[in-house]
Amino acid sequence: DQQVKQNSPSLSVQEGRISILNCDYTNSMFDYFLWYKKYPAEGPTFLISISSIKDKNEDGRFTVFLNKSAKHLSLHIVPSQPGDSAVYFCAASGDSNYQLIWGAGTKLIIKP
Amino acid sequence: DGGITQSPKYLFRKEGQNVTLSCEQNLNHDAMYWYRQDPGQGLRLIYYSQIVNDFQKGDIAEGYSVSREKKESFPLTVTSAQKNPTAFYLCASSISPGTPSYNEQFFGPGTRLTVL
Repeated sequence: DQQVKQNSPSLSVQEGRISILNCDYTNSMFDYFLWYKKYPAEGPTFLISISSIKDKNEDGRFTVFLNKSAKHLSLHIVPSQPGDSAVYFCAASGDSNYQLIWGAGTKLIIKP
Repeated sequence: DGGITQSPKYLFRKEGQNVTLSCEQNLNHDAMYWYRQDPGQGLRLIYYSQIVNDFQKGDIAEGYSVSREKKESFPLTVTSAQKNPTAFYLCASSISPGTPSYNEQFFGPGTRLTVL
């Protein structure tokens, strides 16, 4: 049973527009959420995170929104740039053993 | 520069052979992890270690073994008992459990293992 779901396998966005990547979770014990970016044949790199005590966290072009009642978070990238083309993973934690639970990823394609 | 190194980048092995994947970090992190990634799937945890000489099974530990004799090293052995070993393997590390940034894991470049 997937506890973290990214329902869109891929997303295509025009350069300069906003990219919105979504993530849903089922475990109400999760209290920390992270977004990672991954290029092919490389390890993921940390992008941005949010604690459950907040509903928004912003870092430059990246903003993460958390809706605890809906168990939903989203990553907004604005403006989208060609270098943003990658697979984006959502991850959550809150277990006592500090493990991260990962979504399946969304492939973002930025069109010129 | 601090970071995590994994070697080799590509590895081929014959069916029935054991193979060991290297992971080294110079970030002075206490915790280390091994993940497996298959096409179209998220990362699945194989083993993790929060401190030297201690490690725990993750979700898919069967057919794998690890050791943590040094803080900076966490090698993964893929044994012949692993039924479907062809995959992309990722090693990660993070600072001490319980600190605010503990959840932020730093990843190595990965090793692609192909069983022939």
